[in-house]
Amino acid sequence: QKEVEQNSGPLSVPEGAIASLNCTYSDRGSQSFFWYRQYSGKSPELIMFIYSNGDKEDGRFTAQLNKASQYVSLLIRDSQPSDSATYLCAVTGSYGKLTFGQGTILTVHP
Amino acid sequence: DTAVSQTPKYLVTQMGNDKSIKCEQNLGHDTMYWYKQDSKKFLKIMFSYNNKELIINETVPNRFSPKSPDKAHLNLHINSLELGDSAVYFCASTPGQGRAREKLFFGSGTQLSVL
Repeated sequence: QKEVEQNSGPLSVPEGAIASLNCTYSDRGSQSFFWYRQYSGKSPELIMFIYSNGDKEDGRFTAQLNKASQYVSLLIRDSQPSDSATYLCAVTGSYGKLTFGQGTILTVHP
Repeated sequence: DTAVSQTPKYLVTQMGNDKSIKCEQNLGHDTMYWYKQDSKKFLKIMFSYNNKELIINETVPNRFSPKSPDKAHLNLHINSLELGDSAVYFCASTPGQGRAREKLFFGSGTQLSVL
């Protein structure tokens, strides 16, 4: 089982829709959870982080964490073509090691 | 005034050569990293330095040797390059304290192509 797993996609949504990106992790002791966005040919950029169960909202982005299910998700409301990118989930495990998932490619079409 | 800068951006070389990638950060961060991203976008940590001290050394061939002359610089030297070394190499940094140390600031990456 991979430590951090994402559906590689591609996930295609129409402009204005909600994009839902999912991530599962294997280490039950994980404490910190991150979402990075990476445009093609660019470096990853941190867009959201969450530490506690529940939802965390920032503009059009909402991160959701369920530690019991070992599941973290990112919702993007009112998706725009400029949101088209690879979204990387990252998790800090019990021993402080940050591990990335393989990323989900999101395409928002007009 | 780029926060984390690495050079060169592109590196094309022959198998067997030795090459270096340089990284500098002006954020005052204590910890710096090298990550490798393969063609499938999988991002994997290679090394981490905190205040010039090596703290993470993942399973990386010893042909890869990091060097940190001071806490603002972390260079990566690669000996005897192999085809499988072709990837994008990212330098990153984080503050040293608290949860902020988990938030990575990445450089723009070095696309290494070994022919």
